[in-house]
Amino acid sequence: EVQLVESGGGLVQPGGSLRLSCAASGFTFSSSWMSWVRQAPGKGLEWVANIKEDGSAKYYVDSVKGRFTISRDNAKNSLYLQMNSLRAEDTAVYYCARDWWGYGDVWGQGTTVTVSS
Amino acid sequence: EIVLTQSPATLSLSPGERATLSCRASQSVSSYLAWYQQKPGQAPRPLIYDASNRATGIPARFSGSGSGTDFTLTISSLEPEDFAVYYCQQRSNWPRTFGQGTKLEIK
Repeated sequence: EVQLVESGGGLVQPGGSLRLSCAASGFTFSSSWMSWVRQAPGKGLEWVANIKEDGSAKYYVDSVKGRFTISRDNAKNSLYLQMNSLRAEDTAVYYCARDWWGYGDVWGQGTTVTVSS
Repeated sequence: EIVLTQSPATLSLSPGERATLSCRASQSVSSYLAWYQQKPGQAPRPLIYDASNRATGIPARFSGSGSGTDFTLTISSLEPEDFAVYYCQQRSNWPRTFGQGTKLEIK
């Protein structure tokens, strides 16, 4: 079964850091672009970042550039999102998604990040 | 950044009726548009890729059309499980963007 499972969310103070993880199974992770997409409470979806199969190319939405870093470990079938200098507006459910030709064809269940003092 | 505008914001219909949802792009995205369904507490579920291609396992009552800047998702005969929020998403340019969503509710 193709599956993505996120972890690492939680409550963090403004200015703090958090690292999200996404464990992939059921498909050839090392051959797949991967992405993070977030959804603020009661709001729509925002594509945050994506990364090429071998990690050689990464793209970020402007609102997180310089603060978030996407990475992957193909040996561990895992995707990561290092989030620094967190702001209240980063509060959201963060989804890991397999990036199939620019679309999310497989999604995890999401992990919740709350930035608040 | 390409802005996608969905209409209407809310659509109230009854089971068995036909639903027509619209997505308009601020500039041409060719056919590089997808539709997703999202239910409360769940991740988005892909329905349509490249404007008109149904994703694996999606019932034939869902269909997509359009190109350039104007797109439509049609649900031919609503089933109770179809009431949800629907989003369009473009992959023509980075950053990829989503519409703000259309909530399909039971009348």
